[in-house]
Amino acid sequence: AQKITQTQPGMFVQEKEAVTLDCTYDTSDQSYGLFWYKQPSSGEMIFLIYQGSYDEQNATEGRYSLNFQKARKSANLVISASQLGDSAMYFCAMRDWSGGSNYKLTFGKGTLLTVNP
Amino acid sequence: DAGVIQSPRHEVTEMGQEVTLRCKPISGHDYLFWYRQTMMRGLELLIYFNNNVPIDDSGMPEDRFSAKMPNASFSTLKIQPSEPRDSAVYFCASSLGLALYEQYFGPGTRLTVT
Repeated sequence: AQKITQTQPGMFVQEKEAVTLDCTYDTSDQSYGLFWYKQPSSGEMIFLIYQGSYDEQNATEGRYSLNFQKARKSANLVISASQLGDSAMYFCAMRDWSGGSNYKLTFGKGTLLTVNP
Repeated sequence: DAGVIQSPRHEVTEMGQEVTLRCKPISGHDYLFWYRQTMMRGLELLIYFNNNVPIDDSGMPEDRFSAKMPNASFSTLKIQPSEPRDSAVYFCASSLGLALYEQYFGPGTRLTVT
């Protein structure tokens, strides 16, 4: 079973509007972390936001917020006031402990966001 | 401060040749990760090190792949012999101990094996 599911291969949003990128995850661990990364066309991976499984409040970083619904195992990324520079691939990822290793970071397939002027 | 440095940025080689990718993590970071990104499989963790020691190499596809970290400021990922299916972008990332949630990625090495 996929650990991280991003059901939206592509999304379009008008400049200045908000957009939600979906992410659901699967883990049996109680302690885990959820991340979002941005990958623009230039190829680098840029860390955006982090949510720990025990965090009471949803994480926010500037125009980015993470809508964390633990019971539903979802960690959607909300981008407010979209800008043209937000056009990129967005990856949801989860850190949990699996097997013998004390750390594993698994990425979803990504969502390609296009911001229209 | 310099970020994670990878070299080369692009590599084109012929099938059967040895390929060595290099990474310099951010100074002071004690975790180093190697990832591979392809269209088919997305972003996959290949191996990671803590304090220069390999912790988990379960993502390494096969014996043709090997990684080393001889010191805190340098790591290599070697493919020998290379095959066309190894064509991908290889990322190196580093993080600082407890702040595992914030991995800093290098610019990647785009490898093409013909």
